[in-house]
Amino acid sequence: QKEVEQNSGPLSVPEGAIASLNCTYSDRGSQSFFWYRQYSGKSPELIMFIYSNGDKEDGRFTAQLNKASQYVSLLIRDSQPSDSATYLCAVVNTGTASKLTFGTGTRLQVTL
Amino acid sequence: DGGITQSPKYLFRKEGQNVTLSCEQNLNHDAMYWYRQDPGQGLRLIYYSQIVNDFQKGDIAEGYSVSREKKESFPLTVTSAQKNPTAFYLCASNQDRGHRELFFGEGSRLTVL
Repeated sequence: QKEVEQNSGPLSVPEGAIASLNCTYSDRGSQSFFWYRQYSGKSPELIMFIYSNGDKEDGRFTAQLNKASQYVSLLIRDSQPSDSATYLCAVVNTGTASKLTFGTGTRLQVTL
Repeated sequence: DGGITQSPKYLFRKEGQNVTLSCEQNLNHDAMYWYRQDPGQGLRLIYYSQIVNDFQKGDIAEGYSVSREKKESFPLTVTSAQKNPTAFYLCASNQDRGHRELFFGEGSRLTVL
């Protein structure tokens, strides 16, 4: 069983719409959650991190965490073509100190 | 500027040759990692190290070796035992406490001819 699961996509949304990316994880004790964006051929870059239940907003991005249901999501408002990339969810599992476990990523396509 | 430097960016290797990928960080991070990424795939952990002179196997360590003689450096050797080494290799680092954001290098693309 995968520890961090994401739908591989592609998720296609029109420009200006809200993109919703979801991630579920298996370790109930996980404390730290991260969303990375990766453009083709480039290294991942951090979009947001979240530790507490609820929503965390940063510009057009909102991360949502629900520990009881073991899912974390990323909302992108007013989607732009430049948002087209693969979005990786990562979790720090219990007892692994600093090691992040990544999902396989969701490819987002923002269409004109 | 603080960051992670990987070299080389592109590397071509003949079958049967060992190659070493360099990774240096000046972020004073305790932990360092090597990931492999194949086209359209996620990141798979090869090796990681949380302290100097110690490292652990990740999910796909076979055919790879590492060393951690200095805090700043974590080189990865891709040996001839690695059956399918053509991939994009990413080095990363983070702190082992507090905010554990992972910082990545720009990656090394290895192609076996």
